[in-house]
Amino acid sequence: ELKVEQNPLFLSMQEGKNYTIYCNYSTTSDRLYWYRQDPGKSLESLFVLLSNGAVKQEGRLMASLDTKARLSTLHITAAVHDLSATYFCAVDIPKTGSEKLVFGKGTKLTVNP
Amino acid sequence: GAGVSQSPRYKVTKRGQDVALRCDPISGHVSLYWYRQALGQGPEFLTYFNYEAQQDKSGLPNDRFSAERPEGSISTLTIQRTEQRDSAMYRCASSPGTGGYEQYFGPGTRLTVT
Repeated sequence: ELKVEQNPLFLSMQEGKNYTIYCNYSTTSDRLYWYRQDPGKSLESLFVLLSNGAVKQEGRLMASLDTKARLSTLHITAAVHDLSATYFCAVDIPKTGSEKLVFGKGTKLTVNP
Repeated sequence: GAGVSQSPRYKVTKRGQDVALRCDPISGHVSLYWYRQALGQGPEFLTYFNYEAQQDKSGLPNDRFSAERPEGSISTLTIQRTEQRDSAMYRCASSPGTGGYEQYFGPGTRLTVT
């Protein structure tokens, strides 16, 4: 059974600081997704990582994937208040006949002035 | 363009009643997914359609839950004889295809069983 673990689950940081959120998964996969969810809202896709070594950047967020280590990271650079949200990573397993995503529990990020 | 839409947005029902939740995917998206999200948790997979074919229903909790997508577009998730433990946010997602496409999520239906 595929398990996806994120850490930390809660992160409080100051504006201007850098931090990294980690996502580990238990079964071989080269498809990993990052989503953002604001309180009371739906999930917004941030990044799709489809190969070992993939790196994608958007603004102050950068995501990477190491399929050998079964690890993805979401790096936050010079955080701003607008980044406060819950961030989820999700994995699917290709060639199983199902395209379901298995999500981590999420990392609730609070950026303080 | 229009995103994934779901209706109703909120549903309060009494224990034992049946409910039907509707999902209208993004036009042209062939794959449709249902998830359930408890407060403070990530979405949990329920079932998945490719066109009208239900490819995976391994996440449906029990036989009170069923889903259909008869014409390969709109989908309905039906819960029969609802129980309080069914209370949750039910989210639908769609994607243009299979094999590494991101899934676009709808606003969800908040179901409360009293």
